[in-house]
Formats: sequence, structure tokens, C-alpha cells
Amino acid sequence: DAMVIQNPRYQVTQFGKPVTLSCSQTLNHNVMYWYQQKSSQAPKLLFHYYDKDFNNEADTPDNFQSRRPNTSFCFLDIRSPGLGDTAMYLCATSRDGGGGHTGELFFGEGSRLTVL
Amino acid sequence: TQLLEQSPQFLSIQEGENLTVYCNSSSVFSSLQWYRQEPGEGPVLLVTVVTGGEVKKLKRLTFQFGDARKDSSLHITAAQPGDTGLYLCAGPSRDSNYQLIWGAGTKLIIKP
Repeated sequence: DAMVIQNPRYQVTQFGKPVTLSCSQTLNHNVMYWYQQKSSQAPKLLFHYYDKDFNNEADTPDNFQSRRPNTSFCFLDIRSPGLGDTAMYLCATSRDGGGGHTGELFFGEGSRLTVL
Repeated sequence: TQLLEQSPQFLSIQEGENLTVYCNSSSVFSSLQWYRQEPGEGPVLLVTVVTGGEVKKLKRLTFQFGDARKDSSLHITAAQPGDTGLYLCAGPSRDSNYQLIWGAGTKLIIKP
């Protein structure tokens, strides 16, 4: 089945120790997103790629970076995690963001990050 | 600023009861989506409503889009423990093709 796969599902790291989370998709969608979600809150968009075009949300900390080496893969790098970065990180895809598109998202199962 | 307000924030009911969750805004949305998120998992899209007044049914779940496209509701008939989860409504931002405006979510617990 076509899907969005995130690894690892669970990650525990120490304060300041870099972390990389990965996402792969077999849906062949051209848009990929990274969201941060804290305890039963709505997801918060960090950034998205339209193909290789990277778009950062204005309030995404510089500590968060992303790479998309090809259509299928996307990575989230947290350079120096703080305690406040403990959260679920969700990767999502969508077909297109063009006019008239409803923006439906297909999410992975998430990577739960704990910073100690 | 586009906002989506969901109510109630939390609901705990017995199996077999009916319930309704609301998603309201003062802004018009071109469409609204409903997602369900189970604990420890990513959100899963349930439905998208596009036309004002539209009603969509998904087994025991009924979704309605307001005539003015400013609000939506989710009604669950004869709730089951498997319906437990966080229900999120979301709509496309008019300022960005890629940004969704999210409601804060309704945490639903169905007790056996």
C-alpha cells in the first residue's frame, strides 16, 4: 500500500544532542510537510517542500532544519534540541497546493521525540 | 485572521450514546476537513466537505458543512470504543496554498 513512513517511531535524546528524523513516501506527492504536535494539541507547521522548493514558516526556530534529497524522502534535523522540543513530529504529504486544491494531508505515524 | 474553534474540547461518554462535535469560524472556508488521531499515531483524514450545506456520511459518522461555509459538525451515532481519539477540523488558509488552519481538537473517550 502507498503510504508515508517515519523513522524512528520513538527517539530519546539528551539536551543539545542533534537528532535526525526521516520520512519516506510512496504516494508520489510533490508536497511534503513537517509538523510539530505537542500533547493533544493541533499540529503546528514547521516547513514544507513543493518539489525541491523549501518554505520555512516564520516562527519556526533556526534550530530546525530540513532536507529533501529526492521526491520520496525528507529529513528533519534538530541541531541542538531543548527540553521544549519534546513533541510528536509528523510528516505529511499532499498532491498539490494549487488553486482549488483542498489541501488534504496524508500523515505518517509520527516520531515521538523526548529530550532529557 | 482565520480561526477555527472546536467544541467541546473534551468529551467522555458511554458506548452507545450519540454525540456532536462542532467546528466554527467567523471566516468563510473553501472546504473543511476532519481528521481523527488515535493516541501515538498520526492524524487520518476522515472526510472533506466542499459545498455549503453538504452532508456526508461515513458509516456511523455524519459530517455537515454549514450553508455559509463557516462551520461544520461531526455527529456520531451509537458511539463505540473504537471511536476514541482526537478529532481535528482543518481548512485551507486563504493566505497560503500549503498552510492549513487547524481547530484545537476535541478529545473523545468512549467508555465500554
